[in-house]
Amino acid sequence: DTGVSQNPRHKITKRGQNVTFRCDPISEHNRLYWYRQTLGQGPEFLTYFQNEAQLEKSRLLSDRFSAERPKGSFSTLEIQRTEQGDSAMYLCASRGVSGNTIYFGEGSWLTVV
Amino acid sequence: QKEVEQNSGPLSVPEGAIASLNCTYSDRGSQSFFWYRQYSGKSPELIMFIYSNGDKEDGRFTAQLNKASQYVSLLIRDSQPSDSATYLCAVSNAGGTSYGKLTFGQGTILTVHP
Repeated sequence: DTGVSQNPRHKITKRGQNVTFRCDPISEHNRLYWYRQTLGQGPEFLTYFQNEAQLEKSRLLSDRFSAERPKGSFSTLEIQRTEQGDSAMYLCASRGVSGNTIYFGEGSWLTVV
Repeated sequence: QKEVEQNSGPLSVPEGAIASLNCTYSDRGSQSFFWYRQYSGKSPELIMFIYSNGDKEDGRFTAQLNKASQYVSLLIRDSQPSDSATYLCAVSNAGGTSYGKLTFGQGTILTVHP
């Protein structure tokens, strides 16, 4: 499978715990995006990487959220001290150097109880 | 005013009919326009994109863009029950510091009944 890969696909965690999601973009895609989607809403932009550089962060990304892309390949999104409002699907997407199309992974569902 | 607005529906059409989905956007700098389909519990799947004013056809799907009116639409001809999903409109400003990120509408739920 050469698409965008995300794991874990589902995570249930207790409030206050930390969670980490991983994204492996399409090979050779240097641009990587994280989005969050709640029920009944469209995806909302969280952050953007070009290679290993994090170039943009949404105001939605509070201090409890951190994202990395250490070698310009895979990326991680960590949520510290989770809250019930963090329950959502976290989507990773990637885009190539010359292409204008963004391809999404299957998403990681987070449920905070 | 939301940056990208869609009628959340639900839109219900009979099988074989034409489904018309609409989207308006506020940023006149938007350059690229995308339609994604999302089945319940799944991630968005790209249907088609359009950059230039006018129509773009791909199989049963036609995207229409009117930049002067800041309006994008998606027509689905010969609708099938398998087309039942949420349709997301997204816009991108590839220039400046937007880095090509997509801004989505809230989605329109389409139901095609047999």
